[in-house]
Amino acid sequence: DADVTQTPRNRITKTGKRIMLECSQTKGHDRMYWYRQDPGLGLRLIYYSFDVKDINKGEISDGYSVSRQAQAKFSLSLESAIPNQTALYFCATSDFAGYTDTQYFGPGTRLTVL
Amino acid sequence: GDSVTQMEGPVTLSEEAFLTINCTYTATGYPSLFWYVQYPGEGLQLLLKATKADDKGSNKGFEATYRKETTSFHLEKGSVQVSDSAVYFCALSDRGTDSWGKFQFGAGTQVVVTP
Repeated sequence: DADVTQTPRNRITKTGKRIMLECSQTKGHDRMYWYRQDPGLGLRLIYYSFDVKDINKGEISDGYSVSRQAQAKFSLSLESAIPNQTALYFCATSDFAGYTDTQYFGPGTRLTVL
Repeated sequence: GDSVTQMEGPVTLSEEAFLTINCTYTATGYPSLFWYVQYPGEGLQLLLKATKADDKGSNKGFEATYRKETTSFHLEKGSVQVSDSAVYFCALSDRGTDSWGKFQFGAGTQVVVTP
């Protein structure tokens, strides 16, 4: 089984709808992240969480919210989806081991907002 | 702030050719450097990493050396295969700063290897 899973893998929705993307991990990591990927822009950080009680905004948090339900679960919500939120969304976890960390990614959710 | 710049793609190569993808960075602390690879339809996978100056990361025939004097972490492979066709991302994580725990990614370089 994959260590970082995302549901759904694909979603098509309409402008104004509320959408939730879910992420679960079995790696036992405290740190979790949500990114979006757009062609030519690389990955941009939306939100991140260093533990269950810690939530932080990334560089593009407007229009998004998150919930860290447990160490293993981190959900991303679009309260009122708009077409420019059409993108590929990735969840990641990281292991902070000493002086370095490495990020591990889920397979992604392709979201289309019509 | 911290940033990563990598060469634009697509890079198109013939099988068994030599591959270089340039990556340079700016960082204010003590960055660790990474290369991730994204195969079509998949998430990013760690390819290799280096945590301090002069370290060399290597994996699957790919290599990259952390060059602090030139702030670079170029990815190389001596003989590419069709299966190396993917998008490659350079990234950094800067410890000792407020950015610690957050990664900066480059825009990605698409590599296409033809038979």
